[in-house]
Amino acid sequence: DAMVIQNPRYQVTQFGKPVTLSCSQTLNHNVMYWYQQKSSQAPKLLFHYYDKDFNNEADTPDNFQSRRPNTSFCFLDIRSPGLGDAAMYLCATSGDRGTNEKLFFGSGTQLSVL
Amino acid sequence: DQQVKQNSPSLSVQEGRISILNCDYTNSMFDYFLWYKKYPAEGPTFLISISSIKDKNEDGRFTVFLNKSAKHLSLHIVPSQPGDSAVYFCAVYFYGQNFVFGPGTRLSVLP
Repeated sequence: DAMVIQNPRYQVTQFGKPVTLSCSQTLNHNVMYWYQQKSSQAPKLLFHYYDKDFNNEADTPDNFQSRRPNTSFCFLDIRSPGLGDAAMYLCATSGDRGTNEKLFFGSGTQLSVL
Repeated sequence: DQQVKQNSPSLSVQEGRISILNCDYTNSMFDYFLWYKKYPAEGPTFLISISSIKDKNEDGRFTVFLNKSAKHLSLHIVPSQPGDSAVYFCAVYFYGQNFVFGPGTRLSVLP
């Protein structure tokens, strides 16, 4: 089945130790998104790629970076994780940015920072 | 400033009864509206959507209603089943922009 796959499901890192989360998709979608979700809050968009074009949200901290080496893969790099970065990180894709698009989500990576 | 509000953080309903989840938005430019369902430790999954040219869309037990003048969206689940227990997010969208999510409502369907 075509899908969005995130690895790992659970990630534990130490305060200040860089960490990378990965996402792959078999949907051949143009757009890939990274969301941060904290408990009882709305998923918050960090950035997205429209094909190779990177789009950063204005309030995304510089500590968060992303790479998209090809259509299928996208990575989220957290350069120096702080305790406040502990959250569920969701990768999503959509075919385009037109009307009637849907987001397809991966299962998420739950990040803990010790 | 929240563009999308779901004012009920939680809702409990008896099995077999109707569940009604509500969502309010602030920007009249939004023209596409979706509901997502999320189980613990999983990503959200798409449930149902509606475009601004309609006021109702039905899919099996799930119906979404849109009241554009009130900027209000609701999801009806009839009959509710224990497997419907999850967090429900509404999301709104307009062309060329990004999806905006509400904070979610946790639905518990009691046997």
